[in-house]
Amino acid sequence: KAGVTQTPRYLIKTRGQQVTLSCSPISGHRSVSWYQQTPGQGLQFLFEYFSETQRNKGNFPGRFSGRQFSNSRSEMNVSTLELGDSALYLCASSLSQTNTGELFFGEGSRLTVL
Amino acid sequence: EDKVVQSPLSLVVHEGDTVTLNCSYEVTNFRSLLWYKQEKKAPTFLFMLTSSGIEKKSGRLSSILDKKELFSILNITATQTGDSAVYLCAVPGSVTAGKLIFGQGTTLQVKP
Repeated sequence: KAGVTQTPRYLIKTRGQQVTLSCSPISGHRSVSWYQQTPGQGLQFLFEYFSETQRNKGNFPGRFSGRQFSNSRSEMNVSTLELGDSALYLCASSLSQTNTGELFFGEGSRLTVL
Repeated sequence: EDKVVQSPLSLVVHEGDTVTLNCSYEVTNFRSLLWYKQEKKAPTFLFMLTSSGIEKKSGRLSSILDKKELFSILNITATQTGDSAVYLCAVPGSVTAGKLIFGQGTTLQVKP
C-alpha cells in the first residue's frame, strides 16, 4: 500500500512568488491535513480537509489556502511568499474525520524562500 | 488554549543508556495522546494512549499516560544509534480531533 505522497519534495522560490504543493493520501483515506514545520515553531497545523470540505483551519494568514479534490488528493497554495514561509510542509492522511489522532505523514515538501 | 510541552528539548546519551522523555498537555476534551518519531522527514507513528489504554510497549520503547497529572512519558531502554531522532508528542485538539497539537519535540542523539 503506497504511503502519503507529496510533490515537489524540494523547491526554491523568491519573495512575492506563489507556490502550490500537492499531496496524495493513502488509498481509502479521506481526511487530509497540512502542517508547517520550522525549527523555531515546531509542527503547526494549517488545515484539515474531509470529503472536499475544510473542517478546520490553523492560525495562518489568508495567503495560505488549500483545497481537496473528489479523489481525496489535496493541494495547498501560498501566495506572496515571505522569507518566513521557508519550512517543511507536511501532509498527513487518516481514514476518518473523527480520528483520535493516528495520522500518516508524507515526507514533506521543503520550501526555501529567497 | 490547547497546549503540549515536551522536555527536555534535547538529549545526548550513549548507546545502552535508558532515556525518559516527558510530555505534559492541556486540552479541554481529551481523546488521546500520541507519540511520533521523526528521523529525517516524515514523522512515523509510535504509540497512541487513550483513557482505555494508558500503557503501551513495543520492544525497547514503552509509554505511559497519567490522565490525572496530565502527562505522558516515553521510555527507551538500551538505546541504539538508530534511536537518534526527534520525538514528538501530540494531542488532538479540543474542537476538532483532526487538528493535532504538537509539542516542540525532543531531539535525542545517541552516541556510539
